[in-house]
Amino acid sequence: DAKTTQPPSMDCAEGRAANLPCNHSTISGNEYVYWYRQIHSQGPQYIIHGLKNNETNEMASLIITEDRKSSTLILPHATLRDTAVYYCIVRVPLTSGTYKYIFGTGTRLKVLA
Amino acid sequence: NAGVMQNPRHLVRRRGQEARLRCSPMKGHSHVYWYRQLPEEGLKFMVYLQKENIIDESGMPKERFSAEFPKEGPSILRIQQVVRGDSAAYFCASSPAGFGTDTQYFGPGTRLTVL
Repeated sequence: DAKTTQPPSMDCAEGRAANLPCNHSTISGNEYVYWYRQIHSQGPQYIIHGLKNNETNEMASLIITEDRKSSTLILPHATLRDTAVYYCIVRVPLTSGTYKYIFGTGTRLKVLA
Repeated sequence: NAGVMQNPRHLVRRRGQEARLRCSPMKGHSHVYWYRQLPEEGLKFMVYLQKENIIDESGMPKERFSAEFPKEGPSILRIQQVVRGDSAAYFCASSPAGFGTDTQYFGPGTRLTVL
C-alpha cells in the first residue's frame, strides 16, 4: 500500500505555477520523499527528492512541511509538456538495506492552454 | 550518456508462450529493479537484483515469473506460459552502486500483450 495520498487530478493554466500536494503522515525520520512523473505511458521520470529541507532544481521545487507529514511539488511555469501523472513516493526499506518504491495512483495534472 | 534501455518495446504473445524482457541499466549502475503497471494503475514493485544476485523478489508472482541479472549482459525478466492477465507495461529501473544514492532511473518500458 502506498504511504502517500495525492489528489487524483488537477488543472493548471499554461504559464502559471502548478502546486501538487502530497500527504505522507506516517513518514519516519530518515525517509526521503521522491517525486516522479509519467508522461502518457512512458517510463517514470525522476523530478526531485528531499528529506527535510526545501529543494530546488532545474525542473521543480519541493517544499516539505516542518513536521514532514506533507509536501508540495511546485512547477514554477507550467507548460503543456508538463501534462502528466505525478507520483509522490516514500521509499520502503528492504531487508537488503536498499529501498523499493511504492507507487500510488498519483495526481493527473492537465496543463491548459 | 544513454539511459536505461529496454527491449523489445512492444511484445505480443499467445497464451502459453514465453515472454522475455530485457533491461540494460545506465552505465555505472549495478542495481536493477523491475516493476509492472496495469492499465490505469501505478507501478508495482516486482524484484530487485544486483549482478548475479536476486536481492528481493517480494513482489514477484510465485509461479511462472523469474528474473536474472548475469555478470555479462542485460537483466532478463522471464514469464513462462503467459496468460491474458500478464498483459501490462513492464518497467525496469536502475540505480548506482552504494546505498547512499538510491535514486532510481526508469527505462521506457516493454508493453506485453497476451492474445
